[in-house]
Amino acid sequence: QKEVEQNSGPLSVPEGAIASLNCTYSDRGSQSFFWYRQYSGKSPELIMSIYSNGDKEDGRFTAQLNKASQYVSLLIRDSQPSDSATYLCAVNLNTGGFKTIFGAGTRLFVKA
Amino acid sequence: NAGVTQTPKFQVLKTGQSMTLQCAQDMNHNSMYWYRQDPGMGLRLIYYSASEGTTDKGEVPNGYNVSRLNKREFSLRLESAAPSQTSVYFCASSPGGGDPYGYTFGSGTRLTVV
Repeated sequence: QKEVEQNSGPLSVPEGAIASLNCTYSDRGSQSFFWYRQYSGKSPELIMSIYSNGDKEDGRFTAQLNKASQYVSLLIRDSQPSDSATYLCAVNLNTGGFKTIFGAGTRLFVKA
Repeated sequence: NAGVTQTPKFQVLKTGQSMTLQCAQDMNHNSMYWYRQDPGMGLRLIYYSASEGTTDKGEVPNGYNVSRLNKREFSLRLESAAPSQTSVYFCASSPGGGDPYGYTFGSGTRLTVV
């Protein structure tokens, strides 16, 4: 059973702080990794993708990948109340097909 | 630029009724997907279409059928709805080519089966 695990939260951080969201996956051959943001009652929105070990930065967001540890993380710097949402980690399996597995998500609250 | 459009947004069905969820994308994407989202369980793949003319089962296909009508449209049919199919259904699309890209999601259909 291929799995993507996330802490369900809620993770609560004060405005201006760094929020750190973590994800582990079971398929060692996974190649593509994604973070989606989902506001309550809305659809998921892609915010970051990462394919190689290391860090990838986009504005206030940094995705970190460590394939040896099978670990993906998302850092949100200078967190804002508008960042309050559920963050979904998604992993594309190395099956040669079209199977992306989603974690159940971490709820983030940013307190003003 | 609409992206991925799903209809209807809300639906209530009685057990045993049938219905079709519609999905259309205007991004010229090759691949399309149907997911369901249940509390605490994340998104689970029902069916996908890697390209026009092909469809394949995902993780939870039982009780569903799909049709890739053309490159733009991918519909999901519930032949005989059951309460266990109460969920939020999302259609998504991606450029394709082995799925190294992220997805663009539609706004979802909230389905209740009573």
